[in-house]
Amino acid sequence: GIQVEQSPPDLILQEGANSTLRCNFSDSVNNLQWFHQNPWGQLINLFYIPSGTKQNGRLSATTVATERYSLLYISSSQTTDSGVYFCAVERRDSSYKLIFGSGTRLLVRP
Amino acid sequence: GAVVSQHPSRVICKSGTSVKIECRSLDFQATTMFWYRQFPKQSLMLMATSNEGSKATYEQGVEKDKFLINHASLTLSTLTVTSAHPEDSSFYICSARVGQLSYEQYFGPGTRLTVT
Repeated sequence: GIQVEQSPPDLILQEGANSTLRCNFSDSVNNLQWFHQNPWGQLINLFYIPSGTKQNGRLSATTVATERYSLLYISSSQTTDSGVYFCAVERRDSSYKLIFGSGTRLLVRP
Repeated sequence: GAVVSQHPSRVICKSGTSVKIECRSLDFQATTMFWYRQFPKQSLMLMATSNEGSKATYEQGVEKDKFLINHASLTLSTLTVTSAHPEDSSFYICSARVGQLSYEQYFGPGTRLTVT
């Protein structure tokens, strides 16, 4: 099956720093989403980005589908950015199933 | 828009009993919903796909007789954990696909199940 790898697994930042999270996937996909899981477990949709670049405030994402990777950029990080960031891809078998990466655990210190 | 709710948010039950978890799409119709399980400090693992009006499809290794799924309407799917045991304790999360114009999925807030 398709493999989804995220790096780094853990990241500690000082408030105000910038960071880049990476998601590699092993096969062609229909869809890619980035999520932030907050301390209460809720997954918050960040980006639906099967290809191209999107920006939303301090966050932006780029997916290069032909090279099978996606990047999530966090600028001017805040303590509320802490949590786990997941990327998830949808297989090309028309099942709409999302396969999750193992996540990047981010801690932003004040 | 695209809000998914789950109930209950937290449940504690005794070993051998059954627990039902509800997943609702509040402002859209969802012909397809998904159920995931997440252990502490791990990623989400897909358990099953819930299809309105038809049987759920389960991922390999998931016991269909233990995790009963019913998708009775376009806004409600239920997961029943039957004869629960302590090893079933976990965080259960549902998601719904928004539909025709987008393949984006939205997630419920999760249900933390503890079996004593």
